[in-house]
Amino acid sequence: GQQVMQIPQYQHVQEGEDFTTYCNSSTTLSNIQWYKQRPGGHPVFLIQLVKSGEVKKQKRLTFQFGEAKKNSSLHITATQTTDVGTYFCRVRNSGNTPLVFGKGTRLSVIA
Amino acid sequence: NAGVTQTPKFRVLKTGQSMTLLCAQDMNHEYMYWYRQDPGMGLRLIHYSVGEGTTAKGEVPDGYNVSRLKKQNFLLGLESAAPSQTSVYFCASSSPFWTSKDPINEKLFFGSGTQLSVL
Repeated sequence: GQQVMQIPQYQHVQEGEDFTTYCNSSTTLSNIQWYKQRPGGHPVFLIQLVKSGEVKKQKRLTFQFGEAKKNSSLHITATQTTDVGTYFCRVRNSGNTPLVFGKGTRLSVIA
Repeated sequence: NAGVTQTPKFRVLKTGQSMTLLCAQDMNHEYMYWYRQDPGMGLRLIHYSVGEGTTAKGEVPDGYNVSRLKKQNFLLGLESAAPSQTSVYFCASSSPFWTSKDPINEKLFFGSGTQLSVL
């Protein structure tokens, strides 16, 4: 089955530090999505990347899709306490197979 | 707009009991999904539906059944609950559109979740 690895599993940062989570696949992906889940909440869609080498920004968040379309990253600049939560990637190889979620990276921000 | 609504929000069952979780969406989405979330395991797909009257198995379908009799509703059933089914259950919906090659715009909208404990 489709395998996607998300690293790191946990990350603790001081407020103001940067944070990056990675999503890696052994196969070429047709697209990748990123979601954020606050503690006690439900996942919320952040963005979808489709093109090779694509980079998209949302305020302090930068999303990148690798040139080979096998990996992606989410980078947060100058973290804030509002960034606390678990970040998930969701990927599809191609065709009609259901997308699968990575196991997530839990971010803690120490004020 | 309510979006995706799940009922109940909490439930405690005894081993062997049965129950049904209801998911309703008011966005006219074609696709609906049931996920379970366990610590350290992320979100795992149980069953999904790509349209009214259709269902398909996901990654962890055993012990669950689903039905999609109406487009706006997706029911998840546990016929004989087991402690291993203690989890948080999320329903989601989407309305992807397709290019000639791959589906795009597969943004998922989630319900607020159901905390199920099986004793």
